[in-house]
Amino acid sequence: QVQLQESGPGLLRPSETLSLTCTVSGGSVSPYHWSWIRQSPGRGLEWLGYIRYTGATKYNSALRSRVSLSVDTSKNEIVLNLISVTAADTAMYFCVGETFSDVWTRPFDIWGPGTRVTVSS
Amino acid sequence: QSVLTQSPSVSGAPGQTVTISCTGDSFTIGAGYFVHWYQQLPGRAPKLLIYNNNNRPSGVPDRFSGSRSGASASLAITGLQAEDEAEYFCQSCSSSLKIFGGGTKVTVL
Repeated sequence: QVQLQESGPGLLRPSETLSLTCTVSGGSVSPYHWSWIRQSPGRGLEWLGYIRYTGATKYNSALRSRVSLSVDTSKNEIVLNLISVTAADTAMYFCVGETFSDVWTRPFDIWGPGTRVTVSS
Repeated sequence: QSVLTQSPSVSGAPGQTVTISCTGDSFTIGAGYFVHWYQQLPGRAPKLLIYNNNNRPSGVPDRFSGSRSGASASLAITGLQAEDEAEYFCQSCSSSLKIFGGGTKVTVL
């Protein structure tokens, strides 16, 4: 049974870069898609983007060029980077697996427990 | 930008049926994109409850059911139980974005 675990700093200053790692256990990053989703009281659940095990990505255009995802198949890890953070990026960040299918409309079927990120000066 | 609209809250007594609605538009649900539903218990990550409009993953009780009509979708919980008290989110897509509803808090009286 595939499990996900997010890790990374819980507190950042404005303008810093957020870097979070998602470790996949009990399975492989191949051949699936992996997304990052964040949740905050003000913005609700927000999809940030996905990466496929091949490295192919698609991002939420609302984040412009601030977000990037990478995958390390040898370590079974997915990494989220979000540059130039502000207080608006304060949220719970979830790593999520999409293993049902390859189609765009597939559901988010495996969720990590999430990691809380606070941006404050 | 497209949004999915859910009523903020609904309540029911144990054993009753509650229905949660999710309204999209012609760019999302109305365009034929699947609707999925998630249950989030307090302090926990969301959990997939219904996928592709009306399918239950293994382990989800059959008192949960989903439907879609036009640009809207619904989640019904029949035989409401105390453990169903949670927040429920719908999710769909546009051509370039995966989007969530604002969530509906279900209270078991």
